[in-house]
Amino acid sequence: DTAVSQTPKYLVTQMGNDKSIKCEQNLGHDTMYWYKQDSKKFLKIMFSYNNKELIINETVPNRFSPKSPDKAHLNLHINSLELGDSAVYFCASSLGLTNTGELFFGEGSRLTVL
Amino acid sequence: QKEVEQDPGPLSVPEGAIVSLNCTYSNSAFQYFMWYRQYSRKGPELLMYTYSSGNKEDGRFTAQVDKSSKYISLFIRDSQPSDSATYLCAMSGASSGDKLTFGTGTRLAVRP
Repeated sequence: DTAVSQTPKYLVTQMGNDKSIKCEQNLGHDTMYWYKQDSKKFLKIMFSYNNKELIINETVPNRFSPKSPDKAHLNLHINSLELGDSAVYFCASSLGLTNTGELFFGEGSRLTVL
Repeated sequence: QKEVEQDPGPLSVPEGAIVSLNCTYSNSAFQYFMWYRQYSRKGPELLMYTYSSGNKEDGRFTAQVDKSSKYISLFIRDSQPSDSATYLCAMSGASSGDKLTFGTGTRLAVRP
């Protein structure tokens, strides 16, 4: 039973399209995150939510909009996709707010924008 | 210049070797230091974290932090082919909820 699951795993789409990635965790955690990993493996936080409340909102274009309908779900919607959005997007969760890195990551959603 | 620098490798070693992976950083506010392992096409998994300076050991893995030099290391003893992965260092500040800042990862290959 997967702890943090993301769908879809792979996404290929044209520039200008809108797409969503869904994330669900069954660990009972309060905090969820979206990270972006570029082709050079650099992993950078985009958003974090704690109990459905937005905590971290990095300098991400407002084409990216996270939504947390409940503590177990954090979805990412991307409008007007651009070539530079091509990356692997990881969802993660933690028991609560943490600075000790005890995060559980999903397997990633690989987005390719053509 | 990135806040956290990590040699991307790849690093190739024979099975049984001792591996040393390193990161340097510039932000003196970092207090917690982590190492993650990421297998190909998988998400990162936390290996261990250390608070402030010092050493921490977990099985074949030892993490070292030298805050005076802003330098952290991960040593892997008796390396195995199953250790072949990308190793990411990460750091954060003193407050819970402080964001993690990652290095770009070092790709390690352990040859049988």
